[in-house]
Formats: sequence, C-alpha cells, structure tokens
Amino acid sequence: EVQLVESGGGLVKPGGSLRLSCAASGFTFSNAWMSWVRQAPGKGLEWVGRIKSKSDGGAADYGTPVKGRFIISRDDSRNMLYLQMNSLKTGDTAVYYCTTDGRVDFWGQGTLVTVSS
Amino acid sequence: DIVMTQSPDSLAVSLGERATINCKSSQRILYSSNKNNYLAWYQQKPGQPPKLLIYWASTRESGVPDRFRGSGSATDFTLTISNLQAEDVAVYYCQQYYSTPYTFGQGTKLEIK
Repeated sequence: EVQLVESGGGLVKPGGSLRLSCAASGFTFSNAWMSWVRQAPGKGLEWVGRIKSKSDGGAADYGTPVKGRFIISRDDSRNMLYLQMNSLKTGDTAVYYCTTDGRVDFWGQGTLVTVSS
Repeated sequence: DIVMTQSPDSLAVSLGERATINCKSSQRILYSSNKNNYLAWYQQKPGQPPKLLIYWASTRESGVPDRFRGSGSATDFTLTISNLQAEDVAVYYCQQYYSTPYTFGQGTKLEIK
C-alpha cells in the first residue's frame, strides 16, 4: 500500500524558514518523480514544484510564486522527500501535500504551514 | 502557464439527477504523438486530501463508480456525475499535467438541492 506521510509544518514568522519532510513507502521511491501541492485555507489547489528521479537527471522545477525561495530535494536511501521553504510570506500559508508527479494517484494527508507574525 | 477554468463555480443537483462540470484549458493539452489528453479530475471532501477520479480525460481510476464519466478533448472537458448520491457532495477540480507548472481549475462545489 502506498503511503505518503508529511511532517514539519507549524507556525513561522514572515521571512522565516521551514523544512517539510515526506516519508514514502509502498512503491519504488527512487524511480518516482515527486511533487508538492499546496492548498490555502478555504482555497483551491496549487502545484508547488516537482523533482525528477535521479535516473532521469534529478532536476527540480517550481511554480512561479515559490521560484527562488523553495527547494525540493530527495534522499532515495531513506525514501524521503523534502521541501525547504525560505523567505516565507503570509501567502504561503497552506496545507502542503506530498504527491506523486503528474496526475496525482497518491496524496499524503498534508501538513499545515502557517506564516504569521 | 496553462490556465484551467471550471464552470460553474458551484451547483446544486437533486439526488438521482445528473451533475455536469466543465473545464476549459487555455492551451491544447492533447499530446499528438500518443493521442492522450493530459487532464485529470479530482474529488475533495472536507478535511480530506483530493482523490483521483479520472485521468487521460476519460479513464476512471480503479474503484471509482461508473456514475462518474469524463469526456472532452484538446481544450474542452466535462465531468458528468449520473444518478447523484449524497456521498458525491464535494469540491471537484480539473488539472492539466501536460506541462509544468501543472495547473488546477478553481474548483466546483457540488451540493444537493
């Protein structure tokens, strides 16, 4: 059974940083392209970015609102996906979901990030 | 970026009736080499992550009732829910996965009339 479990959310001040983690199991993580999707409270879904598998080059790309501030990385030895969020803004407040890439077959339960002073 | 626009924003349908949700992309999301439309539909209930219903515009995910039907091609797509059940109350999103940044429609809230 595929499982994606996010952690690391919390309250952070504007301008601060936070790192989210996602523990993956139930599939061959090293072969998977992975994404982060977020959802602001009461709002719709927004793609944050994705990282390719290392065998496909391992590059990451990002949505415009987070480009230059967020970094996606992976540790295939631990089946872990990460989202390093820097220079956080109040508009980054959202539930962050770890997902498989493209059409999303699998979603985690999400972790809430609140950016507020 | 490809803009996905859903209509309506909300609708109320009687139990047993049909609900129709439309999704329009600002660019073609039909890949000519494989004839696939890179369009997915999701259902999201309160407090839950979204659930994949339909992919390739018309392929039902395993376990999804056949009351849910996806159709359309290129830039215009439709999700049809027949014989509406109480458990279908949710917000529905379309998504293009043709090119990054992948983009979602704004969502359509479905309620029971």
